[in-house]
Amino acid sequence: QQPVQSPQAVILREGEDAVINCSSSKALYSVHWYRQKHGEAPVFLMILLKGGEQKGHEKISASFNEKKQQSSLYLTASQLSYSGTYFCGTGDNYGQNFVFGPGTRLSVLP
Amino acid sequence: NAGVTQTPKFRILKIGQSMTLQCTQDMNHNYMYWYRQDPGMGLKLIYYSVGAGITDKGEVPNGYNVSRSTTEDFPLRLELAAPSQTSVYFCASGLQGAGYSNQPQHFGDGTRLSIL
Repeated sequence: QQPVQSPQAVILREGEDAVINCSSSKALYSVHWYRQKHGEAPVFLMILLKGGEQKGHEKISASFNEKKQQSSLYLTASQLSYSGTYFCGTGDNYGQNFVFGPGTRLSVLP
Repeated sequence: NAGVTQTPKFRILKIGQSMTLQCTQDMNHNYMYWYRQDPGMGLKLIYYSVGAGITDKGEVPNGYNVSRSTTEDFPLRLELAAPSQTSVYFCASGLQGAGYSNQPQHFGDGTRLSIL
């Protein structure tokens, strides 16, 4: 079953922060985050596995709360290059049935 | 490093025609995937393979076929093309299954297919 992402879209000014959420109705084992720019392929950001760890990638970090079956992606001090659509992908508690969410469109304006 | 290579990049088909989308990877990955992405939408899994000779259906397999005779290649066949198959098709590969490992999927640049 496809995870739910919120918000669907967000507009920021350079330097502002954003949070993108990904939630599932089933128990999760893994959450993947990808960014896709218009007309390009998705690019890997990070993976979080069951265990509630938080990861960081430059000014982009993420958390995974397996009890709440959700993950959040944090973008701090956003840059113009952060614009794009962010997808989460989730694997269930058996590690099977990996599915992508519908995406969150992020626009960073000067 | 080539990574995942898809051909062609663009193609226009007439209704009822058939074609094969090619995908090859040089990373010796066991897992390979085909996704379609409709405008403004997410990625829908068509078929996947866990190794040479093994394929399985994803969420939207109707109208497509795949084969996996080698580790490197995973072609996607469209039979009797329909307008509903107009989409961008992405091939991806991974060292392990996407759902239960810390290994990412590596995507090709996509094939933009229009059926008129």
